[in-house]
Amino acid sequence: EDKVVQSPLSLVVHEGDTVTLNCSYEVTNFRSLLWYKQEKKAPTFLFMLTSSGIEKKSGRLSSILDKKELSSILNITATQTGDSAIYLCAGARGGKLIFGQGTELSVKP
Amino acid sequence: DVKVTQSSRYLVKRTGEKVFLECVQDMDHENMFWYRQDPGLGLRLIYFSYDVKMKEKGDIPEGYSVSREKKERFSLILESASTNQTSMYLCASSWDRHGSYTFGSGTRLTVV
Repeated sequence: EDKVVQSPLSLVVHEGDTVTLNCSYEVTNFRSLLWYKQEKKAPTFLFMLTSSGIEKKSGRLSSILDKKELSSILNITATQTGDSAIYLCAGARGGKLIFGQGTELSVKP
Repeated sequence: DVKVTQSSRYLVKRTGEKVFLECVQDMDHENMFWYRQDPGLGLRLIYFSYDVKMKEKGDIPEGYSVSREKKERFSLILESASTNQTSMYLCASSWDRHGSYTFGSGTRLTVV
């Protein structure tokens, strides 16, 4: 059975800290690994990682895909209160996404 | 600004009612999806559609059905709502098979 597992499930840090969110996957016919950020409403796209693009960076956020270990990490440096959200990891199988449970990040001032 | 619109942000329905959740996208996407999101369980796929009039079951289709009569609209139907269907429902669409979805803002459904 396909599954995606995220850890930790929740995390509380202070502004300025660096955080690492983890995602492991077992997805048949795996195509790509995606990260989304969800605040109070719609999840918004952060990164997509495939075999041809295993590291992505955007400002203070970066992500790496380890295809050997079937895992990915999302790093956030110099965290801000605006980074508080649920971070979702998903594996793409065909055109469908298999999601993990999400990591709820809370950044305290 | 491209958009996926879900008709209701909050809904309260009674057990046994027939419930319709509507989703409309303006991006001419082929693919549309319905997920439910529950604490500790993440997003789980209910139904999806890769074309008009086409539908396929996801991982948790029991108690749900869908309709896609037009490309831009994908409706989720709860034939007889039950309390265990209380959840956040998210609609999404995409144009490719790599999974880069655009999500709607969600409908928080409470069944009492």
